[in-house]
Amino acid sequence: GESVGLHLPTLSVQEGDNSIINCAYSNSASDYFIWYKQESGKGPQFIIDIRSNMDKRQGQRVTVLLNKTVKHLSLQIAATQPGDSAVYFCAETGGGATNKLIFGTGTLLAVQP
Amino acid sequence: GAGVSQSPRYKVAKRGQDVALRCDPISGHVSLFWYQQALGQGPEFLTYFQNEAQLDKSGLPSDRFFAERPEGSVSTLKIQRTQQEDSAVYLCASSLAGAWRTEAFFGQGTRLTVV
Repeated sequence: GESVGLHLPTLSVQEGDNSIINCAYSNSASDYFIWYKQESGKGPQFIIDIRSNMDKRQGQRVTVLLNKTVKHLSLQIAATQPGDSAVYFCAETGGGATNKLIFGTGTLLAVQP
Repeated sequence: GAGVSQSPRYKVAKRGQDVALRCDPISGHVSLFWYQQALGQGPEFLTYFQNEAQLDKSGLPSDRFFAERPEGSVSTLKIQRTQQEDSAVYLCASSLAGAWRTEAFFGQGTRLTVV
């Protein structure tokens, strides 16, 4: 289930289950979105991206879904592993001319063995 | 290494002290970004360089913050007269292109603590 932890919503899942992390983005002009994973003491690590002319993109064990109608982005992780435990951020470009990113609040994914 | 490198990893500064944070982007990357990340928050944009040109500094919180990238590679973020609210992790990111939508690679960050 989800709960609000230390300033971060938390998603707790069992190892092997699928995880779905949700994100509401703010700017309807955003045309590029990225999911980042951040482990404690490290910088954000790129997971997957999607452009606004797509509604779904798949990577290795991850899928990103984009719903522009309701400005919603989700990250699905298949067969979640303990190494997936981290904070996940969605980021959007805000429709600007550069790749400046606007990050969401973040979700802490806790994988129980 | 082949990634974005930041130094120092940790910096403790007394209030009022000036600090300089260094970023070595991935070789050949045109774009360089600085972000500030407070504890428990997502990174917030500070400034953007395309080669040596600073094209966007709209996120710099005050005129105490200054960034440069004189030769289009290494960048330095300088904070003058540090204050406690400057305590945060400062992240540098680089990407291959400027206006095109491409992924940005982040360094590990510099954790600044102002005491």
